[in-house]
Amino acid sequence: QVQLVESGGGVVQPGRSLRLSCAASGFTLNLFAMHWVRQAPGKGLEWVAFTSPHGRNNNSADSVRGRITISRDSSKNTLYLQLNSLRSEDTAVYYCARSVEGGSLDYWGQGTPVTVSS
Amino acid sequence: SYVLTQPPSVSVAPGKTARITCGGSGFGGESVHWYQQKPGQAPVQVISSITDRPSGIPQRFSASIFGNMAALTISSVESGDEADYYCHVWGSLFSQSFFGGGTKLTVL
Repeated sequence: QVQLVESGGGVVQPGRSLRLSCAASGFTLNLFAMHWVRQAPGKGLEWVAFTSPHGRNNNSADSVRGRITISRDSSKNTLYLQLNSLRSEDTAVYYCARSVEGGSLDYWGQGTPVTVSS
Repeated sequence: SYVLTQPPSVSVAPGKTARITCGGSGFGGESVHWYQQKPGQAPVQVISSITDRPSGIPQRFSASIFGNMAALTISSVESGDEADYYCHVWGSLFSQSFFGGGTKLTVL
């Protein structure tokens, strides 16, 4: 069955970097568009980034543009989100999600928490 | 881009019908999707405007779009439906996703 498992979150100081992973199973990651979505404590869902099948096209939200890199490792069937120059407002639970027809997100991981604090 | 506006909260008695709206800037023909999130859990898709309800989602959940307004309707509401609900649009023109602010459904 389809499963997404995020990892790599933790407590990090402002200005530092972090790489989040999203290990996929039950499907071939490269054949699907994927998204990262985050949720700050007590807040709603915020879209972070998108990568098209095979990673040919990427885009990100204005709030993180220039500070993130989204990538894939097909040999590991894993998606990555590199977060740089972290700010306190990046504190959130980060989810990866699979995208299907019409851009709907049919499977989500359980999320990995990131806390940016000195 | 799209700005999706949802009411912060909706309350409904058990067995009644709940309607959660999502106001958008015309949606531009894009698909509108809906997710349910219970406390401490990841979001779960309840409606895709393309494929309708995923397996396991009851027929009590339905969705519609009329002009600049999308709506999620939950009939015969149960206590287990209490959750936050989010609408979502994939803006294919911009390769960006947009979420509504979320609506907390309370079952009285």
